[in-house]
Amino acid sequence: NAGVTQTPKFQVLKTGQSMTLQCAQDMNHEYMSWYRQDPGMGLRLIHYSVGAGITDQGEVPNGYNVSRSTTEDFPLRLLSAAPSQTSVYFCASSYSNWLGRPGKDYNEQFFGPGTRLTVL
Amino acid sequence: AQSVSQHNHHVILSEAASLELGCNYSYGGTVNLFWYVQYPGQHLQLLLKYFSGDPLVKGIKGFEAEFIKSKFSFNLRKPSVQWSDTAEYFCAVTPISSASKIIFGSGTRLSIRP
Repeated sequence: NAGVTQTPKFQVLKTGQSMTLQCAQDMNHEYMSWYRQDPGMGLRLIHYSVGAGITDQGEVPNGYNVSRSTTEDFPLRLLSAAPSQTSVYFCASSYSNWLGRPGKDYNEQFFGPGTRLTVL
Repeated sequence: AQSVSQHNHHVILSEAASLELGCNYSYGGTVNLFWYVQYPGQHLQLLLKYFSGDPLVKGIKGFEAEFIKSKFSFNLRKPSVQWSDTAEYFCAVTPISSASKIIFGSGTRLSIRP
């Protein structure tokens, strides 16, 4: 298993540009999420998804869009990049207990390696 | 709304000192609780987790945490820290009753003096 993969590892954008951060997992996890990590702010949840076709907002969703057309992929789109979006972005996935399947370690998050984004 | 508080932002200890990092959460129902560790330049890794049963859980590298339901706390402990424990530590919580989001605390940076 590759686990959770993220691309790119580094990205520099100019203000106003758009881009998509890719996230994929091969563990058949229902739950996927995006966090941003900023010094002194910890991890803040941007968007999350409990399954294909279902997404919801986290704590800091403004300026970001997500979609979940497949179980494996959960891309994060920056619509018009701003310097305030300079951060390290982590994607994570886990089994989710909402489907009621026993015997799984629900909610244990597996993280990708992160994308370091700089917006000039 | 659920939230997680980690009151210690930066802890500095000498090697062999004992460690306790605080974590409190706000949610009235049953929860899963986690501690994750992020070593410099790396992504987060699971340190330990509490799902049910014995409130004292043991994790990797000699870490343990105690779930005290009445205090809504899940403090992380280690009797004797090593320089290699220098990292950032995050507490996380999620309700188990629904397809809920998982919320992290703001993290505690641990620096160990050799």
